[in-house]
Amino acid sequence: NAGVTQTPKFQVLKTGQSMTLQCAQDMNHEYMSWYRQDPGMGLRLIHYSVGAGITDQGEVPNGYNVSRSTTEDFPLRLLSAAPSQTSVYFCASRTRISTSGVGNEQYFGPGTRLTVT
Amino acid sequence: ELKVEQNPLFLSMQEGKNYTIYCNYSTTSDRLYWYRQDPGKSLESLFVLLSNGAVKQEGRLMASLDTKARLSTLHITAAVHDLSATYFCAVDDLMDSNYQLIWGAGTKLIIKP
Repeated sequence: NAGVTQTPKFQVLKTGQSMTLQCAQDMNHEYMSWYRQDPGMGLRLIHYSVGAGITDQGEVPNGYNVSRSTTEDFPLRLLSAAPSQTSVYFCASRTRISTSGVGNEQYFGPGTRLTVT
Repeated sequence: ELKVEQNPLFLSMQEGKNYTIYCNYSTTSDRLYWYRQDPGKSLESLFVLLSNGAVKQEGRLMASLDTKARLSTLHITAAVHDLSATYFCAVDDLMDSNYQLIWGAGTKLIIKP
């Protein structure tokens, strides 16, 4: 299994440009999430999805859109890039949470380093 | 709303010493995860703790969970330079309909020779 893959690894955008960060997983995980991590900081949740066709906002959703048309893919769209969106973006996935006492660790992609000038 | 606090946020220690990182959380949960992140890299799962009293060990790292105290510890024994990294804990919010995973801020660990 490739696990969670993200493209591109690096990207430089000018203010106002738009782009899509790609994320795919081959583990048949229901849950997928996008996080941003700023230098020296922890993770902040942008958007997440609990299954195909279902998405919801996280802590910092403004300026980003997502969609989930398939179980495997969860792209993140930057609508009009701003310097404040310079960050490292991580996609992650995990199986559906159950109440049976079985934990579900989250698997992370390698990240996309985005710089907005 | 579940909150997760780690302390310390930064720790510089000498090789060979022992130390403990603490992860406190604010509401009931019995599912806690520890991750490691090397500089410029992604996050890697270290331990999954699923019940009160759970203890997991891997090499010089040992993690435990006390759900009554809402506390997990990550203990480092006889630290070596290779363990330098940022360590995150995360907790499943069982009161959230989607069992949202709530993250601590991370503990940056530097181990000096």
